[in-house]
Amino acid sequence: QKEVEQNSGPLSVPEGAIASLNCTYSDRGSQSFFWYRQYSGKSPELIMFIYSNGDKEDGRFTAQLNKASQYVSLLIRDSQPSDSATYLCAVNTNPPGGYQKVTFGIGTKLQVIP
Amino acid sequence: KAGVTQTPRYLIKTRGQQVTLSCSPISGHRSVSWYQQTPGQGLQFLFEYFSETQRNKGNFPGRFSGRQFSNSRSEMNVSTLELGDSALYLCASSNYRDRVEQETQYFGPGTRLLVL
Repeated sequence: QKEVEQNSGPLSVPEGAIASLNCTYSDRGSQSFFWYRQYSGKSPELIMFIYSNGDKEDGRFTAQLNKASQYVSLLIRDSQPSDSATYLCAVNTNPPGGYQKVTFGIGTKLQVIP
Repeated sequence: KAGVTQTPRYLIKTRGQQVTLSCSPISGHRSVSWYQQTPGQGLQFLFEYFSETQRNKGNFPGRFSGRQFSNSRSEMNVSTLELGDSALYLCASSNYRDRVEQETQYFGPGTRLLVL
């Protein structure tokens, strides 16, 4: 089982729709969860982080975390063609006495159709 | 503030050669991590350096090595190149100002390596 799993897609949604991106992780000790966006030919950039169970909203983006189910998701409301990119889920774990370890999922390619 | 810089941006090598990639983190960032990105495997962690010490290492063979200098600049070396080493190599730095900054990876533009 991969440490961080995502469906590679592509996920196609029409412009204006809600895009739902999902991620599961295997380490119950994981404490921090991030979503990065990577445009084709560019490097990843952070768009959201979430630490606590529940929802966190930032503009059109909502991150959802359920630690019991080891599940984190990203919702993009009113999707725009400019949202077309690969979305990477990242999970940070800080083991006792150790140093943080960042693990990325393979990324989900999102295509927003005009 | 300047972002993370990586040199060279593109590199073509042949099997058996070795290569050295360079990364300069954001000013003030002391942690530098290296990642390999391929279409099939995604972003895979190579190693992390902090204050010239390797703190974490991913599951890569010993042909992959790195180091960090006192000014936080880092280099990554791959010896005896194989065709499968063709990938985008990304460097990321992070800051230890607070939890969010510590755990956020700021990526450079990457070095695209092609092994023939």
